[in-house]
Amino acid sequence: AQKVTQAQTEISVVEKEDVTLDCVYETRDTTYYLFWYKQPPSGELVFLIRRNSFDEQNEISGRYSWNFQKSTSSFNFTITASQVVDSAVYFCALIRPQGGSEKLVFGKGTKLTVNP
Amino acid sequence: EPEVTQTPSHQVTQMGQEVILRCVPISNHLYFYWYRQILGQKVEFLVSFYNNEISEKSEIFDDQFSVERPDGSNFTLKIRSTKLEDSAMYFCASAALQGMGGYTFGSGTRLTVV
Repeated sequence: AQKVTQAQTEISVVEKEDVTLDCVYETRDTTYYLFWYKQPPSGELVFLIRRNSFDEQNEISGRYSWNFQKSTSSFNFTITASQVVDSAVYFCALIRPQGGSEKLVFGKGTKLTVNP
Repeated sequence: EPEVTQTPSHQVTQMGQEVILRCVPISNHLYFYWYRQILGQKVEFLVSFYNNEISEKSEIFDDQFSVERPDGSNFTLKIRSTKLEDSAMYFCASAALQGMGGYTFGSGTRLTVV
């Protein structure tokens, strides 16, 4: 079975600090996709990134960066120079299309609070 | 940018009543989904729908739940007899391709059962 673990339940930082959100996943499949979603206080789910299992290159998008390491089954998310608007719950998720499964398996989320 | 639209944004219903949550997926998408998030908890898969039938469902999706695409644009989730534990945020999503999780989520309907 697939599982996504976000061990950090809540993180609080001061603006401009860097923060890393951890994500560890479990799957026996060789083909899978990993995601990060942001859920601001307004409640919607905002897509941040999708990464397939064959692409271990790190990715940077502005202040956001992602570190995918298959050796440790981790897909960590770093926010550089955090801002108050980054305050949200962040979810890591996994999908494995083999066998036709379509469901996203989410972690429990990490609530990030960025204080001014 | 295309959006998935969900209505209503918030619905309050009495226990035992039927509710229908509505979604308008992105027009050229073929795969449709419902997810649920109980307050403060993780997002959970309920059901996927393709070609006018359910393609996958979770153990949460019991006989009290049903989905329908009544008119080619709307995608609905019906809960026949609501329970207190059905109180949650319900997210609709749609995708152009299957199995890659390239979903677009709607902004959710918060269902409160009293």
